[in-house]
Amino acid sequence: GQNIDQPTEMTATEGAIVQINCTYQTSGFNGLFWYQQHAGEAPTFLSYNVLDGLEEKGRFSSFLSRSKGYSYLLLKELQMKDSASYLCAVEDSNYQLIWGAGTKLIIKP
Amino acid sequence: GAVVSQHPSWVICKSGTSVKIECRSLDFQATTMFWYRQFPKQSLMLMATSNEGSKATYEQGVEKDKFLINHASLTLSTLTVTSAHPEDSSFYICSVRRGAGGTEAFFGQGTRLTVV
Repeated sequence: GQNIDQPTEMTATEGAIVQINCTYQTSGFNGLFWYQQHAGEAPTFLSYNVLDGLEEKGRFSSFLSRSKGYSYLLLKELQMKDSASYLCAVEDSNYQLIWGAGTKLIIKP
Repeated sequence: GAVVSQHPSWVICKSGTSVKIECRSLDFQATTMFWYRQFPKQSLMLMATSNEGSKATYEQGVEKDKFLINHASLTLSTLTVTSAHPEDSSFYICSVRRGAGGTEAFFGQGTRLTVV
């Protein structure tokens, strides 16, 4: 079956760094997405990885290891507005997006 | 990026009634749209893939007679929850992608449905 695992909840301090992990087992792999979702709102796109390595975009970076079925999202210089859920999604061999349950990130002052 | 408009953003209805949710792709023609349901603290669950001019493709376990999908034009797909029950209360979100193979998904604002 298809499976994507993320921690349910994480807590971090404003100004700090946090790493949100995602492991996956899917029918094929065409790429991995990270989305941010604030409570009661739709998800918004953060990053996309298709090759191994680190993709940096401002305060956010995303890493992928296809051999390990593993990705992480790294958030630096945390701000209160970063409090949200972060969703990992894998595009399988049928080009369908398989979604993780999301990690709720709580930022404390 | 694509602009997707979903309406209404929230709705409260009585058990047994039907509710229609609209999803519009505002800046490109979408032959395919995706309908998701999300329960609190849970993942996005794909309900069905809406195909313009043809029948929708439903995921296993989703009742096609209960969740009617119509994709009559390249910019509009509708989801009708028929004979709604309290267990249908959820967050429904539509999504479009410009293509496959690494293209991001753009989402509507979502519809919070509460059945009383």
